[in-house]
Amino acid sequence: DSGVTQTPKHLITATGQRVTLRCSPRSGDLSVYWYQQSLDQGLQFLIQYYNGEERAKGNILERFSAQQFPDLHSELNLSSLELGDSALYFCASRGGTANSPLHFGNGTRLTVT
Amino acid sequence: GEDVEQSLFLSVREGDSSVINCTYTDSSSTYLYWYKQEPGAGLQLLTYIFSNMDMKQDQRLTVLLNKKDKHLSLRIADTQTGDSAIYFCAVVNSGNTPLVFGKGTRLSVIA
Repeated sequence: DSGVTQTPKHLITATGQRVTLRCSPRSGDLSVYWYQQSLDQGLQFLIQYYNGEERAKGNILERFSAQQFPDLHSELNLSSLELGDSALYFCASRGGTANSPLHFGNGTRLTVT
Repeated sequence: GEDVEQSLFLSVREGDSSVINCTYTDSSSTYLYWYKQEPGAGLQLLTYIFSNMDMKQDQRLTVLLNKKDKHLSLRIADTQTGDSAIYFCAVVNSGNTPLVFGKGTRLSVIA
């Protein structure tokens, strides 16, 4: 158990809809990262937050947004969903030292029909 | 930006050694990680190495780093069927920046 919790585990929704994915980082970790894993694109970095502030942005679509709350949990919002958004979405958290690795949650599998 | 390459598939017999290779492009990469992903699960950290090291051993796992060639390898000794999974190489060049992942190597262990 990595200590990172993601909910829900599975999500099935229709095109055009909006969903929210939730992540609770490991106790004490201030950094949260979101990654998207699809069969053809591998693991793509979306966005990083550190103690509530956005730190880095990767290949995140404008239809997607995220935030990190004062209690350090994070939410990833996906809107105007398309079939191609179907993927596994991972959250990871990281400790404060320079050599801290990422610890991943078990992911949310999103299926857009 | 950083690019990380891995071969996509590897098949070995149970009891043999497995060697999974990874190359990266950014010579300033500082921390290099290996993760394992089993079906339906998240990525589990296996081991990591810092760029000032050439080798790290952890039980059945040996990580070798060739900084000159920007090549990283993971050797699994006495490979078991439970080692069947996807193995990801990931690199980062400073403490708090995002990790860049390879596409993963699917290891199949034949009994």
